[in-house]
Amino acid sequence: EAGVAQSPRYKIIEKRQSVAFWCNPISGHATLYWYQQILGQGPKLLIQFQNNGVVDDSQLPKDRFSAERLKGVDSTLKIQPAKLEDSAVYLCASSLVGGGWQPQHFGDGTRLSIL
Amino acid sequence: GQQVMQIPQYQHVQEGEDFTTYCNSSTTLSNIQWYKQRPGGHPVFLIQLVKSGEVKKQKRLTFQFGEAKKNSSLHITATQTTDVGTYFCAPGSSNTGKLIFGQGTTLQVKP
Repeated sequence: EAGVAQSPRYKIIEKRQSVAFWCNPISGHATLYWYQQILGQGPKLLIQFQNNGVVDDSQLPKDRFSAERLKGVDSTLKIQPAKLEDSAVYLCASSLVGGGWQPQHFGDGTRLSIL
Repeated sequence: GQQVMQIPQYQHVQEGEDFTTYCNSSTTLSNIQWYKQRPGGHPVFLIQLVKSGEVKKQKRLTFQFGEAKKNSSLHITATQTTDVGTYFCAPGSSNTGKLIFGQGTTLQVKP
């Protein structure tokens, strides 16, 4: 089966600019996750979707970050405006269903550098 | 919320030596998953542990879940250079599917 697809792989922007990331999960996976991974740390969940509804966005900085999954398949994550501390790898993952009992399948991530 | 502490943070071993990483929680966990992330790569699912005292093996890897379901360990026998990477434990919420990743243990293997 095809894995989780993410684009772009790399992005370099200046602070205060905006950026968007795209994710296509594994076909049939109802649950989609966006993580932020800062160098040397474990992934931190930003937002979790179940189909097109938000399950958890408690750690999403909502003043600058937004995410949507309009048709319950693809998802986009946006940062506007970007800050220096947003430099990180943004990982998308998907699982068949939620509930904590399913393995999560990760994409290759987007490495974001803020100048 | 659930948080876990992983130790050690880094481990350098000679190829052929054994390696163990520990994952400790102050609260009882419903389940725990383990992931491996190669340098420059993304996390890859290894195993899920659910039952108290559970032990699972994958070739040279042995995973344990403590009797009190507050700790877990991953042991690698006779490490190889292909074992290089960062190993994360991640307790899962039985309600939402949310995983809380530990800070990871980075393993370096000297050939």
